[in-house]
Amino acid sequence: ETGVTQSPTHLIKTRGQQVTLRCSSQSGHNTVSWYQQALGQGPQFIFQYYREEENGRGNFPPRFSGLQFPNYSSELNVNALELDDSALYLCASSLGGTANYEQYFGPGTRLTVT
Amino acid sequence: GENVEQHPSTLSVQEGDSAVIKCTYSDSASNYFPWYKQELGKRPQLIIDIRSNVGEKKDQRIAVTLNKTAKHFSLHITETQPEDSAVYFCAASKGDDKIIFGKGTRLHILP
Repeated sequence: ETGVTQSPTHLIKTRGQQVTLRCSSQSGHNTVSWYQQALGQGPQFIFQYYREEENGRGNFPPRFSGLQFPNYSSELNVNALELDDSALYLCASSLGGTANYEQYFGPGTRLTVT
Repeated sequence: GENVEQHPSTLSVQEGDSAVIKCTYSDSASNYFPWYKQELGKRPQLIIDIRSNVGEKKDQRIAVTLNKTAKHFSLHITETQPEDSAVYFCAASKGDDKIIFGKGTRLHILP
């Protein structure tokens, strides 16, 4: 197993609510990428944080936002939850601020929006 | 933007036979192609990757080939075993911040 952890494991929220998901990166890694994986689909890139700055963003609306802390752990915040936000949210840590280094995935947070 | 197509979506092979999964990508600037294995309820794990300056890479029973001209890359698993049953994702990156994943292939190894 990787050293990447995520919390919580599961979460149930109501449409319109807000949620915060957390990720602790592997020791020594300075980059965290977040992905949304809908059931039966491949992970979709949300954004990446490198040394506390957003380093790139996929095709997700502004209500998806994030933070990276000085210890390189990260948060994903989603406002105004919609039913389609129900998915497995994965974070992955790596070195170097690009996608071309091995990304180590956490176990994911399964979010259900009702 | 980059688009990665993956085929087939489901693949069943007899234990001991070979399995091949094929992917195409759209952005000729892509230069890094990882493959991930995801078992049910678990996180994706990198099983092999290839960079655009290499045409083929092998690691025990797993090999990946890359045809840059055709923008195709493939995963080959030989002598399949029951523990190879999982969902496999191909992906592509052009050296920026993001990895673009295919939709996955569910591989079943039949006894």
